[in-house]
This record gives sequence, C-alpha cells and structure tokens, in this order.
Amino acid sequence: SQQGEEDPQALSIQEGENATMNCSYKTSINNLQWYRQNSGRGLVHLILIRSNEREKHSGRLRVTLDTSKKSSSLLITASRAADTASYFCATDIRGSNYKLTFGKGTLLTVNP
Amino acid sequence: ETGVTQTPRHLVMGMTNKKSLKCEQHLGHNAMYWYKQSAKKPLELMFVYSLEERVENNSVPSRFSPECPNSSHLFLHLHTLQPEDSALYLCASSENSGAEKLFFGSGTQLSVL
Repeated sequence: SQQGEEDPQALSIQEGENATMNCSYKTSINNLQWYRQNSGRGLVHLILIRSNEREKHSGRLRVTLDTSKKSSSLLITASRAADTASYFCATDIRGSNYKLTFGKGTLLTVNP
Repeated sequence: ETGVTQTPRHLVMGMTNKKSLKCEQHLGHNAMYWYKQSAKKPLELMFVYSLEERVENNSVPSRFSPECPNSSHLFLHLHTLQPEDSALYLCASSENSGAEKLFFGSGTQLSVL
C-alpha cells in the first residue's frame, strides 16, 4: 500500500473558485511536499511543510498539516486556467533517507 | 526551465535494442534521482545517487543500469526492455540527499515495442 494518497482523484472548478486537495499518509514523516505536473512534463515543487509546522502559505497556496490525523490539504485560492495540472503530495518516511514517496495525484481542471 | 535537462524527450525502442537516457543538472546539486511514472500509478523511485555514489536501488530489474560519472550527469542504460517498461522516466536532483525540494527534468517518454 502506498504512503500518500490524494483525494479527490479529479476536481473540476470554474476560474476564480478555490480548489482544495487532500493527502493522507500512513507512517511518521519529517516533511510533506506538494508538487504540480502539467501534462507530459516534469514535476514542479510547490511547497514543503515540516512535521512541526501546521500551516504554510506561498502566494495563492495554503498548505495545512495535521500529524495526528496523518493528513494534509492544499488550497489554491482564486484559481486560474493556468492552474490546470495534476497535483501530488510526497512524503519522506522518518528514518528512511533519500526516499520521497508520491501519491497518484489529483487532476485539477480549471475552466475559463 | 528547472535547470535539469533530459534527453531524448521521446524514445521508441524494440525489446532487443540498447539505448541510454541522459540527465544533466546545472544547479550544483549533490543528489540525483531516477523515477518511473506509469499511467494510473504513483511515481516509482528507481535509483538515488549522492555525490556520485549509488545509495538506493529500489528493487529495479537489471535491464535498467544507472551510471553517474559526476555530480552533474546521470544516465540510465536500457537493454532488453519489456513493453510494460513503457513509461515516462523522470530525472530529478536535490541539493543534498535528504530528498527535500526535488527539481525535475521534463522526462523521457519511452515506448517499448
């Protein structure tokens, strides 16, 4: 079973609306990261939140982390058509160097 | 442009061919990674190099052979692949081997016939 799982698998919204994606994981982590991937391209790092942090902001992005529930959420405010992409959460497993485990991703479609 | 360049962007090969994927990073990073991305599956970590030394081989079949001649270059040598090896192969780098903030290349879309 995989470490991180995003929910929902797909999300379709109108431009200007907010988009919320969730990630759940199974084991203790040092940090959790969110990445974006445009179709057929590489992943782009968005934000990293450490296990001792609860919330982090970067521009229109807001990430929360609840280690007691082993879950994280990514909020994109005032979405734009250019935000259309797949979004992945990635976790490192405490005690395991080098390994960053990704979920299957949430496909976000922002309609103009 | 992330500073990580992969070539070729697309590759079609037969099962008996030998080919190589190339990755180059211009970021001065010390760690480099190969990931495999198949449809409807999570990214799979294949190999990790830290300061040119392989530190992770994630149970990858021997038909995939990595090479890291220096901290800026990473290769993935392919031979006698199977059709199920068709996937997007992504190279990434990070400042150190702690896997914080990976920078990815655009990937090589591989089709094995």
